[in-house]
Order: sequence, then C-alpha cells, then structure tokens
Amino acid sequence: DQQVKQNSPSLSVQEGRISILNCDYTNSMFDYFLWYKKYPAEGPTFLISISSIKDKNEDGRFTVFLNKSAKHLSLHIVPSQPGDSAVYFCAASGASGSRLTFGEGTQLTVNP
Amino acid sequence: EAGVAQSPRYKIIEKRQSVAFWCNPISGHATLYWYQQILGQGPKLLIQFQNNGVVDDSQLPKDRFSAERLKGVDSTLKIQPAKLEDSAVYLCASSLYRGRGNEQFFGPGTRLTVL
Repeated sequence: DQQVKQNSPSLSVQEGRISILNCDYTNSMFDYFLWYKKYPAEGPTFLISISSIKDKNEDGRFTVFLNKSAKHLSLHIVPSQPGDSAVYFCAASGASGSRLTFGEGTQLTVNP
Repeated sequence: EAGVAQSPRYKIIEKRQSVAFWCNPISGHATLYWYQQILGQGPKLLIQFQNNGVVDDSQLPKDRFSAERLKGVDSTLKIQPAKLEDSAVYLCASSLYRGRGNEQFFGPGTRLTVL
C-alpha cells in the first residue's frame, strides 16, 4: 500500500529553467508534508515543509504547493542549478507522531 | 555541529549470517530512527526510539531484526539471520524531539549486500 507516490522516477531540465516535482498521497490523515534531497552516498537532507493549513510555502528558490482536495503537492525550483541534481523525496506525516512515510523519489538532473 | 554517524558504511554478508549496524546521533537529540531503503524505493521506518524507549516498531520484522538504544544515545540495529531481501541501505536519523515540524537529520547510511 503505497500511501505516498512520486510517479516520475526522473526529470531532466536545463539550467535556469523551472523544475517541478510532483507527489500524490492517499492517506487523508496526513497533515504535514516535507521534501528531502539526497545526493549519492549521503543521507537525505531536509529541504522544505508545509502544513496542511497552508497551500504554499516558499524558501528562496524552493516553493512547495499543497492541494488538499486533490491530495497532491509539488516542489518548484526556480531557477534550477546544476547543484540541484539529486534525488528528491516527498514525505508525509500525520497527527499521531513523527513517523514519516516517503515516496519513491524522483531523480532530478539539471543540465548546464 | 557533528552530524549523525553510522558504521560501517558498507557490508557484504552471505544469507543466514548475522550483521550489526551502529549509529551515533547528534548530541542532545532525544529521538532516534532507523530506516530501511531498498533500491528504487523511499526510506521505510523500521523503529523509532524516544531516549532509550521504543515508541514505534510496528514495521520492524521482529523475527530477525532487533534494535537497542542503551543509555539513550548510541543505537545498534541487528539482523539475524539475514535474507537476500534485506539488501538495502540502512539509514539512521535523529531529531531533537518527536512530533510534527521536527526536522530529522540523517546519517550517510550503511549499504548492506546479502549474497
């Protein structure tokens, strides 16, 4: 039962353009969502989060949008840089505690 | 500030052997997590400790996996006996406290290959 799903295993964009990574969830009890970035041979690092009481959260070049009715969130990176090339994981948690449920990840490649 | 430390970084064993992984969380972090990440999948929580007590081990295969966090600091995760499907990266993470909005910091992971 995949409660958090990232349907695109990979995404390739040109430097300076927008990267849009998508995530869908099925569990309506999820109310907090996070994005993590992972470089090879390293652990995931926290990037940005959003609570279900908001529909948008912005941090520099990174913006996360949440559409609760569609159970969908997206991460926008503008402008994209080669250093953004990594695997991006979407994660969700519910009110019961801090257990994170992760999606499968999307490999982003930003070409110079 | 030192990050989450894990050892070994890589381990190759044969099926039915035993293996143990070690994790040293960030100093002062009360909550410690062990995740299993199989190739092509996202990390899956195996067990969560609050200080030295277990708060969530619902996804831990208890017939072969065990974990402890003595004195509420370091932790070890053991697999005995290992199966082929245990091949994965085992990630340790820690956070200041439990709960939403509390950032989890991950270590580099231990890559286990079971032959």
